[in-house]
Amino acid sequence: GENVEQHPSTLSVQEGDSAVIKCTYSDSASNYFPWYKQELGKRPQLIIDIRSNVGEKKDQRIAVTLNKTAKHFSLHITETQPEDSAVYFCAASGSGGYQKVTFGIGTKLQVIP
Amino acid sequence: EAGVTQFPSHSVIEKGQTVTLRCDPISGHDNLYWYRRVMGKEIKFLLHFVKESKQDESGMPNNRFLAERTGGTYSTLKVQPAELEDSGVYFCASSQVGGGSNEQFFGPGTRLTVL
Repeated sequence: GENVEQHPSTLSVQEGDSAVIKCTYSDSASNYFPWYKQELGKRPQLIIDIRSNVGEKKDQRIAVTLNKTAKHFSLHITETQPEDSAVYFCAASGSGGYQKVTFGIGTKLQVIP
Repeated sequence: EAGVTQFPSHSVIEKGQTVTLRCDPISGHDNLYWYRRVMGKEIKFLLHFVKESKQDESGMPNNRFLAERTGGTYSTLKVQPAELEDSGVYFCASSQVGGGSNEQFFGPGTRLTVL
């Protein structure tokens, strides 16, 4: 089955700096890669996703990159703000409607004002 | 639109007792998933319903866990008898079938503590 490795497990950055979270996956058949953000005491919410037919996707201060050959994908947050502080989970799955999602261990991001 | 809801939000039980968790998915979502997160670890897949049918239950830890989704609406996850290692946050998520979107919408979770 699929295995997703995520690092770092914790990350502290100064407000305004960039944050990068990296993930690797094992199943070359995976072709859908969502990122979820879980703020303290709240539910995980999808913030951005990428499919395997593209190498990069951007949404304001958030970008994801995907290297299918190396089975790596990353989340980049620029100009971090205190409200970016949360646990971020990467995940991988097939793109069919019935595909199981495998999550990484999560990265606790702290943005220091 | 109401999101995914879960009940209870917290449950503290003793080892050997039974607990039943409930999940109400977003109306119209045929896919329903159960996940568990043990502190500091990944969100781990437990099982997946499509309507009332179990599509994939490969993540269920053992036969102490029983999930049902009678009628294809809400789902329950029963743990009987509970063990210490069952402690964690149990999330439910739902998604549409088709429509080009894979997004799973999560509930707030049920924090289960087994003493």
